[in-house]
Amino acid sequence: QTVVTQEPSFSVSPGGTVTLTCGLNSGSVSTTYYPSWYQQTPGQAPRTLIYNTKTRSSGVPDRFSGSILGNKAALTITGAQADDECDYYCVLYMGSGISVFGGGTKLTVL
Amino acid sequence: QVQLQQWGAGLLKSSETLSLTCAVYGGSFSGYYCSWIRQSPGKGLEWIGEINRSGSTNYNPSLKSRVTISVDTSKNQFFLRMSSVTAADTAVYFCARTPVATPHFDLWGRGTLVTVSS
Repeated sequence: QTVVTQEPSFSVSPGGTVTLTCGLNSGSVSTTYYPSWYQQTPGQAPRTLIYNTKTRSSGVPDRFSGSILGNKAALTITGAQADDECDYYCVLYMGSGISVFGGGTKLTVL
Repeated sequence: QVQLQQWGAGLLKSSETLSLTCAVYGGSFSGYYCSWIRQSPGKGLEWIGEINRSGSTNYNPSLKSRVTISVDTSKNQFFLRMSSVTAADTAVYFCARTPVATPHFDLWGRGTLVTVSS
């Protein structure tokens, strides 16, 4: 069974930089998985941040960037702000129309 | 501006069938898949399945036996049916749009809370 792994929680200082990762329980993440990243605040639908590994969705500030780091997809947030404190989810496309969400990372800005 | 609006019954009893509708306003299905995604209370997101305008579907293997996704292109609507629900199916259900060329969820509905009581 494919499991997409994310750090359960992470903390960053205001103005700091944080990198969240998205891996596989077996194997490496590459661009062929079309990694995408979503931001979700409580009670709201997710907001699309990054797709196709590193393409920012419309209106997303360039403080958010996507990449492949080693064998994982990565979301880097620079100049962290208080309203960046929320949950972040990655999705990997497994082919044959199957998408799998990671478990999500709860980001704290303090 | 394209929007997804969703609706459906919010309270079910165990063993009943969940039924939700998602309407695409201001655009069409052409070039997209339309997905259903759910989030149990306090938990993460789970992809349920998707459909394109031709009716071609893909499902999460863990839910496939109970899920049917269908489409009515004349109304720009797509549908989720999940049979034999239990309390474990209590969740907020989202519809979302996926561009065929670059798989991801680029547009989301606001979500519908479905509660299953025993």
